[in-house]
Amino acid sequence: NAGVTQTPKFRVLKTGQSMTLLCAQDMNHEYMYWYRQDPGMGLRLIHYSVGEGTTAKGEVPDGYNVSRLKKQNFLLGLESAAPSQTSVYFCASSYQAGTYEQYFGPGTRLTVT
Amino acid sequence: AQKITQTQPGMFVQEKEAVTLDCTYDTSDPSYGLFWYKQPSSGEMIFLIYQGSYDQQNATEGRYSLNFQKARKSANLVISASQLGDSAMYFCAMRGLSSNTGKLIFGQGTTLQVKP
Repeated sequence: NAGVTQTPKFRVLKTGQSMTLLCAQDMNHEYMYWYRQDPGMGLRLIHYSVGEGTTAKGEVPDGYNVSRLKKQNFLLGLESAAPSQTSVYFCASSYQAGTYEQYFGPGTRLTVT
Repeated sequence: AQKITQTQPGMFVQEKEAVTLDCTYDTSDPSYGLFWYKQPSSGEMIFLIYQGSYDQQNATEGRYSLNFQKARKSANLVISASQLGDSAMYFCAMRGLSSNTGKLIFGQGTTLQVKP
């Protein structure tokens, strides 16, 4: 099992450009999440999905969109990148909610200039 | 609203000694779960230990144990016999169990450095 994978690992964007981050999991997990990590602020939830075809807003959703067309994939889109979106982005998945831990991908380091 | 607070930005511990990383939380959810994750310098997030709010005993996983004090709303991580490989950032996180979203709220993290 590859677990949770993220593509790309690094990316540099110019202000106003768009991009999509891909998250894939091969554990048949229902729940998937996108977080961003900034220095001194821990991880903050951007969007999440409780199953194929569903998405919901997290703590910091502005400037991002997501889609979960297939159970194994969760896409995070930036329509018009801003320097404030410079961050490390983590995708995570879990079998269900409740007591189940989240499994994290390796992260994507995004710089917006 | 839920909140996790980790008040120790950085800590040092001597190799082979025990160390406690503090975590306090606030929630109105009557049922909740507490998680600890480790993030080494390579960046990945590694799950360490889980404690449910209704668990009768403190959770343990190898050298990791969770000192859960419900009345004080604290869930401190104890690492026994520290090793050099324990040097990393540690995050405390919480999930309310009443909703079915599975969302985790993270603290700011504590950087632990183990001295040889």
